[in-house]
Amino acid sequence: SQQGEEDPQALSIQEGENATMNCSYKTSINNLQWYRQNSGRGLVHLILIRSNEREKHSGRLRVTLDTSKKSSSLLITASRAADTASYFCATSSGTYKYIFGTGTRLKVLA
Amino acid sequence: DADVTQTPRNRITKTGKRIMLECSQTKGHDRMYWYRQDPGLGLRLIYYSFDVKDINKGEISDGYSVSRQAQAKFSLSLESAIPNQTALYFCATSDFTGLAGGSTDTQYFGPGTRLTVL
Repeated sequence: SQQGEEDPQALSIQEGENATMNCSYKTSINNLQWYRQNSGRGLVHLILIRSNEREKHSGRLRVTLDTSKKSSSLLITASRAADTASYFCATSSGTYKYIFGTGTRLKVLA
Repeated sequence: DADVTQTPRNRITKTGKRIMLECSQTKGHDRMYWYRQDPGLGLRLIYYSFDVKDINKGEISDGYSVSRQAQAKFSLSLESAIPNQTALYFCATSDFTGLAGGSTDTQYFGPGTRLTVL
């Protein structure tokens, strides 16, 4: 079964709007990462947040982590058409292998 | 990421055939992984290797085998392909650093191999 579950499964927004996607997981984690996948291509790492961190920023990306609720969110501000992709969270629970969620498909309309 | 390459990029084969997917990396990472991706199921881990002598099964290893020929090479084999192995296959490496207070284990993915088993 999947450790991470993203919500929503699909999201369609206008260029310039913010996009928020969420990830829930089931067991304790060491860290959580977010990846982007353009259609049919390999995943690209976006950001990692450790279990002792609550928020992290990278450019237009903001990630939060709530270990009490076993959830994380990824916010993309001022979205662009180039942000159209699928976004996955991946959790590590101590053995340093990652379990990926099912992804959120983001479509940014120009 | 051009540092992780996969061959072939596309493959169509028939049920019962033996297939090998190859992965090479120039990143110098010890850790390598094989995943498959199916629509609506995300990525699932098939096998992973933390070094040349350390190979471990993932969540869906049945029907697959791997070989870590060198630090830079990690091959995935389907001994007798079946149609439900039709999927997109990804190889990845990771840069585990084991920093105090938490680790970084960023994964770097290859471009993928689209495998179709008829």
